[in-house]
Amino acid sequence: GQNIDQPTEMTATEGAIVQINCTYQTSGFNGLFWYQQHAGEAPTFLSYNVLDGLEEKGRFSSFLSRSKGYSYLLLKELQMKDSASYLCAVRDSDYKLSFGAGTTVTVRA
Amino acid sequence: IAGITQAPTSQILAAGRRMTLRCTQDMRHNAMYWYRQDLGLGLRLIHYSNTAGTTGKGEVPDGYSVSRANTDDFPLTLASAVPSQTSVYFCATAREGDRNEQFFGPGTRLTVL
Repeated sequence: GQNIDQPTEMTATEGAIVQINCTYQTSGFNGLFWYQQHAGEAPTFLSYNVLDGLEEKGRFSSFLSRSKGYSYLLLKELQMKDSASYLCAVRDSDYKLSFGAGTTVTVRA
Repeated sequence: IAGITQAPTSQILAAGRRMTLRCTQDMRHNAMYWYRQDLGLGLRLIHYSNTAGTTGKGEVPDGYSVSRANTDDFPLTLASAVPSQTSVYFCATAREGDRNEQFFGPGTRLTVL
């Protein structure tokens, strides 16, 4: 099984940078995903890492270290619309996802 | 239909009643999933199907059943609902390929009284 930990809440100011950490213990690692979920809506895909290193996509970047069981999602130039929950998910060898409880990010003006 | 649809959007149900949540996709993805989302617990996998005709149990399958008669439809049935099944239910599909990311439907909010 998977044990996935991420902070419950984070608050940051508009225009700032926030880093959301995710640690995991897995019995068969086959990729790590980050999803964004606005209140009352469905999760939407943000990023995917399967090899160690940094993946950059616009204002969002995701990092993975498989040896440390660690990932982070970096949100730069924060905007009010980035206020949402961010879900870390680990994929196993059967292509099933296990999700962390999510980190609620609040962006303040 | 565009993407994934779920029905109903929300439902209030008496305990002991039978309920089927519907999920339909038009993306021709082989894999489909049912999750429940509860505050503080995140998304938990109930059942999944890697292709039409096959199904598997996820992390929390008890009290739920699924079928996958064709590629597009993946209904979730609660045979006899209990209050602990009050939750938001999401259906998802996965695109083939190395990334294989999942796409989520809009969700069904179910309350069992």
